[in-house]
Amino acid sequence: NAGVMQNPRHLVRRRGQEARLRCSPMKGHSHVYWYRQLPEEGLKFMVYLQKENIIDESGMPKERFSAEFPKEGPSILRIQQVVRGDSAAYFCASSAEQGAESPLHFGNGTRLTVT
Amino acid sequence: GENVEQHPSTLSVQEGDSAVIKCTYSDSASNYFPWYKQELGKRPQLIIDIRSNVGEKKDQRIAVTLNKTAKHFSLHITETQPEDSAVYFCAPNNQAGTALIFGKGTTLSVSS
Repeated sequence: NAGVMQNPRHLVRRRGQEARLRCSPMKGHSHVYWYRQLPEEGLKFMVYLQKENIIDESGMPKERFSAEFPKEGPSILRIQQVVRGDSAAYFCASSAEQGAESPLHFGNGTRLTVT
Repeated sequence: GENVEQHPSTLSVQEGDSAVIKCTYSDSASNYFPWYKQELGKRPQLIIDIRSNVGEKKDQRIAVTLNKTAKHFSLHITETQPEDSAVYFCAPNNQAGTALIFGKGTTLSVSS
């Protein structure tokens, strides 16, 4: 039973380029969450999506960041015109039940480095 | 929004000792209280959780206690082992129930 799959594991982008991070939830899960983790810090909530809907994007910067979870295919976190401050580990998690009242299963993360 | 604090930020114990990490939160509407363990370079993994209608839950060497009135919950690890060394995060849910809000983490070091 495959867990949450994220790719790529490592992504290097130059300032001004676009970064696309992909996340396939666990089988049977339709709720996806994106978190950002800076070195030696906790995980900061960015966005919560269900299939074709953004439920809560209160933690996502208003500019340059967007997320989607289409009917078919993985969830995508997109960062346009990356800056050095975007360098971080981005974790995706999924759950079977609606809302954050049940365990979240995390992927292995995408480590984004902006040069 | 939810304000989550963990104490201590670092904890060093000898193998076999007990470790306790406390998490305080601000949102009285929170009703789900998990603890996650993250080893270096790896993904966070759930180790134990508790819901608001329960005061304590145990799973072998790990336990969680909840005080909803005081708005804090604690992770207890007994008979610690070197493999318990990791960063531990508490993550109560927010008022809307749409996200887990993570504390900054506690780095536990168990020396043999």
